[in-house]
Amino acid sequence: GPKVLQIPSHQIIDMGQMVTLNCDPVSNHLYFYWYKQILGQQMEFLVNFYNGKVMEKSKLFKDQFSVERPDGSYFTLKIQPTALEDSAVYFCASSLGTISNERLFFGHGTKLSVL
Amino acid sequence: GQQVKQSSPSLTVQEGGISILNCDYENDMFDYFAWYKKYPDNSPTLLISVRSNVDKREDGRLTVFLNKSGKHFSLHITASQPEDTAVYLCARNQGGSAKLIFGEGTKLTVSS
Repeated sequence: GPKVLQIPSHQIIDMGQMVTLNCDPVSNHLYFYWYKQILGQQMEFLVNFYNGKVMEKSKLFKDQFSVERPDGSYFTLKIQPTALEDSAVYFCASSLGTISNERLFFGHGTKLSVL
Repeated sequence: GQQVKQSSPSLTVQEGGISILNCDYENDMFDYFAWYKKYPDNSPTLLISVRSNVDKREDGRLTVFLNKSGKHFSLHITASQPEDTAVYLCARNQGGSAKLIFGEGTKLTVSS
């Protein structure tokens, strides 16, 4: 079936550095999402991106976070600068339409460790 | 604040039995309810979903029950099999929002 690919699967960086998490969504999908899961906690919505714009974001989507999908390539989440509390697994997802009409397809996640 | 809750972090069921996974929510405005299945180090995958205008939906061995007055929905898995062993996440969405709100997950173990 359709797959969302996330690269890399694990990234380790020092606090204060910049990190970019990459997501290759399902090819014909139009809506893109990032979710964050801290160890032992539930997955939490960060941001939704559609038509080149952030449509909705949560309070977890701090000013240090940004997303883009230049020229239909990877959908990226950039954190600059990183903080210790950014350590988590970040899941990318995509959908053809809005959530209540179309299913979300998730990637396997990128585990980010900020030291 | 937490808007949804899966009260059981884990559940063990004998092979062939019925697995019942529960989810409670607070916000009356949710109108889309879903269950996702997740294996370790793998992606959450949609199992089954319902809109708030139905009370029940069946798909093979899976049945979702929605109790709107009790703000509760559940997933029943009949004839449970060892390959059903996974973490099950309930999720909800309010129409017009792009946000899926997930529960903490229930780890189901089906023993043979």
